[in-house]
Amino acid sequence: SQTIHQWPATLVQPVGSPLSLECTVEGTSNPNLYWYRQAAGRGLQLLFYSVGIGQISSEVPQNLSASRPQDRQFILSSKKLLLSDSGFYLCAWSVLVAAGANVLTFGAGSRLTVL
Amino acid sequence: DQQVKQNSPSLSVQEGRISILNCDYTNSMFDYFLWYKKYPAEGPTFLISISSIKDKNEDGRFTVFLNKSAKHLSLHIVPSQPGDSAVYFCAAGTYKYIFGTGTRLKVLA
Repeated sequence: SQTIHQWPATLVQPVGSPLSLECTVEGTSNPNLYWYRQAAGRGLQLLFYSVGIGQISSEVPQNLSASRPQDRQFILSSKKLLLSDSGFYLCAWSVLVAAGANVLTFGAGSRLTVL
Repeated sequence: DQQVKQNSPSLSVQEGRISILNCDYTNSMFDYFLWYKKYPAEGPTFLISISSIKDKNEDGRFTVFLNKSAKHLSLHIVPSQPGDSAVYFCAAGTYKYIFGTGTRLKVLA
């Protein structure tokens, strides 16, 4: 069965420090991978998605970047965190299906607090 | 511009009654619509989906209705249970999805 791992679960970082959140998927090949963010009291905002190794699409101009060094690994990074980067970050995967919805499966999330 | 909207931030329903969660969208090119349930500090879990070529999909206590002319979909939960209390998100898209802002459902025992 497919599983998705996301870490760290909780992170408290000072403004200006770097960030690295990691996500790995097991039990599937060539998944689409996604990073979403939920800010306090807000909905889920799509940040990045990837359809393959090295292929990253950015949805929102921001202080963050994403990389996909391996088929089932997706990393969210920042060189210098801002206060506004605080939020709940969610990694998700999906596999393209010929018929039916391309359903996203989410990880447990990473809570980032920037002080 | 918010392409997917959930205009009711919260909803309270008595246990055993029907819960109706609504969602509106603006882009008629969306192929699929999904509903997710989310508990605090957890990732959303998938509930049910509907294709843009359908107008209804049912799975146990959950039914999703799609009205393409009105660009509106709704999730019906019957009967509602206290364990259904969570935030519900609708999402629209194809291989990437735009989410609404969520509706907090509280089912009262």
